[in-house]
Amino acid sequence: SQKIEQNSEALNIQEGKTATLTCNYTNYSPAYLQWYRQDPGRGPVFLLLIRENEKEKRKERLKVTFDTTLKQSLFHITASQPADSATYLCALRGGRGSTLGRLYFGRGTQLTVWP
Amino acid sequence: DAGVIQSPRHEVTEMGQEVTLRCKPISGHNSLFWYRQTMMRGLELLIYFNNNVPIDDSGMPEDRFSAKMPNASFSTLKIQPSEPRDSAVYFCASSSTSGTGANTGELFFGEGSRLTVL
Repeated sequence: SQKIEQNSEALNIQEGKTATLTCNYTNYSPAYLQWYRQDPGRGPVFLLLIRENEKEKRKERLKVTFDTTLKQSLFHITASQPADSATYLCALRGGRGSTLGRLYFGRGTQLTVWP
Repeated sequence: DAGVIQSPRHEVTEMGQEVTLRCKPISGHNSLFWYRQTMMRGLELLIYFNNNVPIDDSGMPEDRFSAKMPNASFSTLKIQPSEPRDSAVYFCASSSTSGTGANTGELFFGEGSRLTVL
């Protein structure tokens, strides 16, 4: 069965540093990968999408890479701020051999940026 | 747009009672998803609809769970009878699909319904 692992449950970094979150998957050939942000008591909010034929995507201070050989995505937040503190979820949509439309989520990494 | 609207935001009920969760997707979106989130299992897809038709309900835990989408602007998730292990946050999300019918876009989530079954 498909398995998605995010590097750690919690990551603590100092303001101004770059936060790097990891999403690894197995038994899967995703067509694309998404990253979401979730604040306590709220629903997840979409941040970025990267397709299987794309290596890198950027949006303001965010950067996502996608390595289908390593079966890994890295999510970077540069010049991190305390307001970036949240849980970040990766999600994969199936490509070949999976039900179209089905999005699988990792359990998330809780990021804390301290001043 | 008001976004995806879910109700109730909080529900506390006793084991054996029926629970109905409601969702209004974003207008114009033709895909609707029900997810359940717990600390132990994270976000799990229960069922999703495309153009009001259930496409994949393989995530529905058991027959106690049922979902309907009578029209493009309303969906319900019902649990009958409820059990303590059903306690979780239930999210509804909507999205637009591409012309091929495959969902390639982002999901817009509601704020969730926190269910506690005593």
